[in-house]
Amino acid sequence: QKEVEQNSGPLSVPEGAIASLNCTYSDRGSQSFFWYRQYSGKSPELIMFIYSNGDKEDGRFTAQLNKASQYVSLLIRDSQPSDSATYLCAVMGYYGGSQGNLIFGKGTKLSVKP
Amino acid sequence: DAGVIQSPRHEVTEMGQEVTLRCKPISGHNSLFWYRQTMMRGLELLIYFNNNVPIDDSGMPEDRFSAKMPNASFSTLKIQPSEPRDSAVYFCASSPQGRGAGELFFGEGSRLTVL
Repeated sequence: QKEVEQNSGPLSVPEGAIASLNCTYSDRGSQSFFWYRQYSGKSPELIMFIYSNGDKEDGRFTAQLNKASQYVSLLIRDSQPSDSATYLCAVMGYYGGSQGNLIFGKGTKLSVKP
Repeated sequence: DAGVIQSPRHEVTEMGQEVTLRCKPISGHNSLFWYRQTMMRGLELLIYFNNNVPIDDSGMPEDRFSAKMPNASFSTLKIQPSEPRDSAVYFCASSPQGRGAGELFFGEGSRLTVL
């Protein structure tokens, strides 16, 4: 059973601080990793993806991948109250050798306090 | 494009009734996914289609659930008979294949309550 694990939180950080969200996955063969953000009562939306070991930066967001440790993280710099949401880590599964579905973690709820 | 369109947005029904949820994916997207979200279990994949063909339905809870995609622009998820434990938000999502695979575009969801 392929699993994606996240700390459910809530993670509370003050405005302007760095928020660090972590995720581990069980399938060592996974190649593609995604972070989705879900505001309360809304649908998930993609904010970052990463395929290679190391860091990938996009504005205030940095995704980090360590395949040897089966670990993915998301850093949010200069956190804003508008970043308060649940962050879902997702790993691409493969079916019959082809890209298939995304397997989601249960999400980490982030609260940024003004 | 209007995005992924789901209907109904809210459904309240009684145990034993049939429920049909509908989805129109984004035009040009080859893959369509049905997910169910609850507080306890998070976002669970029920079934996904590539080019209208069901690829993996191992997430469908039991025979009471069925899904169809008769053409590239329409899919249904049916629950018959419904049970209170089916209460959840059901999301439909679509994505392109190739380099865009993994970027899922979600609909607004259908909130189902079974009494």
